[in-house]
Amino acid sequence: ETGVTQSPTHLIKTRGQQVTLRCSSQSGHNTVSWYQQALGQGPQFIFQYYREEENGRGNFPPRFSGLQFPNYSSELNVNALELDDSALYLCASSLRYSETQYFGPGTRLLVL
Amino acid sequence: GENVEQHPSTLSVQEGDSAVIKCTYSDSASNYFPWYKQELGKRPQLIIDIRSNVGEKKDQRIAVTLNKTAKHFSLHITETQPEDSAVYFCAASRTSNNNDMRFGAGTRLTVKP
Repeated sequence: ETGVTQSPTHLIKTRGQQVTLRCSSQSGHNTVSWYQQALGQGPQFIFQYYREEENGRGNFPPRFSGLQFPNYSSELNVNALELDDSALYLCASSLRYSETQYFGPGTRLLVL
Repeated sequence: GENVEQHPSTLSVQEGDSAVIKCTYSDSASNYFPWYKQELGKRPQLIIDIRSNVGEKKDQRIAVTLNKTAKHFSLHITETQPEDSAVYFCAASRTSNNNDMRFGAGTRLTVKP
């Protein structure tokens, strides 16, 4: 069984740029959730994907968007980066209707 | 939306002592309450969870209690060890899909040898 993986591990961008983060779900998991974790804070739910469609969204603006692919992997896209977007971005995979989710190692994004 | 408040923000205990972390939530429809442990630079890992139809759950040195009436739940760690040192997060969700999960701000636990 393969765990959740994310790429890249670290990323530096400048304000106004766009970024794409990637997540491969644990083997057999069909649901992927994305979280933003600012330094010293708990993770904040961005959105969830199931069957290639967004299935729930937190309080994040439309410049945060995502995709899910037929193999259940997922992307998080952030347009028009702002300084406050600097954070650790975590994805978590789970089975539909299973409450247990498993987190990836995260991508640390720094916006200058 | 729902808020989850977590206390204390930092907790220091002597090895062998017990540690208790408390969380409150505002949405009475919440029915799933997981606890995660996050070591420095690592991913959050689920250590125990409880559902709203259960008042208490125990797994070796870790236990969680839930009071639905008061809308609070607590993590209890007994016989603490230095390797228990980490940041602990509580969370709450209304749905079985976790597509609305709210986390507390975290508690940094330090266990002194």
